[in-house]
Amino acid sequence: SQKIEQNSEALNIQEGKTATLTCNYTNYSPAYLQWYRQDPGRGPVFLLLIRENEKEKRKERLKVTFDTTLKQSLFHITASQPADSATYLCALDITGGGNKLTFGTGTQLKVEL
Amino acid sequence: DAGITQSPRYKITETGRQVTLMCHQTWSHSYMFWYRQDLGHGLRLIYYSAAADITDKGEVSDGYVVSRSKTENFPLTLESATRSQTSVYFCASSEDRGYGYTFGSGTRLTVV
Repeated sequence: SQKIEQNSEALNIQEGKTATLTCNYTNYSPAYLQWYRQDPGRGPVFLLLIRENEKEKRKERLKVTFDTTLKQSLFHITASQPADSATYLCALDITGGGNKLTFGTGTQLKVEL
Repeated sequence: DAGITQSPRYKITETGRQVTLMCHQTWSHSYMFWYRQDLGHGLRLIYYSAAADITDKGEVSDGYVVSRSKTENFPLTLESATRSQTSVYFCASSEDRGYGYTFGSGTRLTVV
């Protein structure tokens, strides 16, 4: 069966450190992989998109890697701040899927002072 | 204001009643989507639309109906609400494949 797995346990890190979140998937052939941020009581907010033929994408303090052999994406936030505390969701747009995203359940990140 | 708006923000309804959740976007994005979010399940696709008058079922479409007569509106109707449809519902839009989604603020629906 198809699965998208994100660490269900909250990730707690100290301010200034790099946070690394993992997204693993099985039995998918994603054309795109996307990352979203969701704050309590709000809708998800799009952060980054990476294509199947790209290895890495950066945007300011954010970096996403995509390894289609390992079937894994890593999401990094460098110089993390308390304001980065949120739930982060990965989502796959599978080849032939017609722009439909399938989401993981998310990882909660807490950045402590 | 430009964006994607959902209404109502909160709704309590009784089992068996018909309920319509509204979604409106101002960008003329081709694609629109309805997801529900439940603890332990994450976001699950209910219906999506690639353009006006084109809709298709998602993973959890039973008990729901959509229409899209105009590009900017994508209402979701629960034909006969059940307690299992208690959830937070998110509408989203996307310009095209390869672009991120923009989500609304959500509708928290409680069926009693």
